[in-house]
Amino acid sequence: GESVGLHLPTLSVQEGDNSIINCAYSNSASDYFIWYKQESGKGPQFIIDIRSNMDKRQGQRVTVLLNKTVKHLSLQIAATQPGDSAVYFCAETLKETSGSRLTFGEGTQLTVNP
Amino acid sequence: ETGVTQSPTHLIKTRGQQVTLRCSSQSGHNTVSWYQQALGQGPQFIFQYYREEENGRGNFPPRFSGLQFPNYSSELNVNALELDDSALYLCASSLQGRGANVLTFGAGSRLTVL
Repeated sequence: GESVGLHLPTLSVQEGDNSIINCAYSNSASDYFIWYKQESGKGPQFIIDIRSNMDKRQGQRVTVLLNKTVKHLSLQIAATQPGDSAVYFCAETLKETSGSRLTFGEGTQLTVNP
Repeated sequence: ETGVTQSPTHLIKTRGQQVTLRCSSQSGHNTVSWYQQALGQGPQFIFQYYREEENGRGNFPPRFSGLQFPNYSSELNVNALELDDSALYLCASSLQGRGANVLTFGAGSRLTVL
């Protein structure tokens, strides 16, 4: 079946650098995408979301970019901090309001070196 | 406002046994979803409950069943446990309507099947 996948399983950056985490999706019918952060021993935590009618959305230190042409999603973290070290998952769903299932990718382990 | 709480946090079972996992949803949320997260992988949707009824199911066999109670708390039951059922089981709550897929996750119940 169609699923969300990731380009890189691990990413290591220096503190203060910008991080970019990538995600590829294959279901062209998906219209809502979410990034989650999961720290060790915790459940996934919502970071930012984006609807398919948008190509960019910014939050506090984070930006999500959506390229529907190539079915690519990315999460940019500015001035990465040690507290950003975690596994990051992108997730897709068919409709924002339907309460339908989320399909998660496999995750990218981000390590921030001091 | 309380978040999503799950119990137990860790448990060990043997093949063929049955297990019940419990979840209290976040205050104000009326929908509960359950996900299975194998080690090193993204969460996989098991099912969702809304108004005490199953409201969508992923690719899991019938030995995975659930309940939702009038106070929106939920249980996940797994019968005839198999070794591959070893995983982190995540409960997530949400509110039907706009933002329905912004899930609030609990820390999970770590199940080990021997």
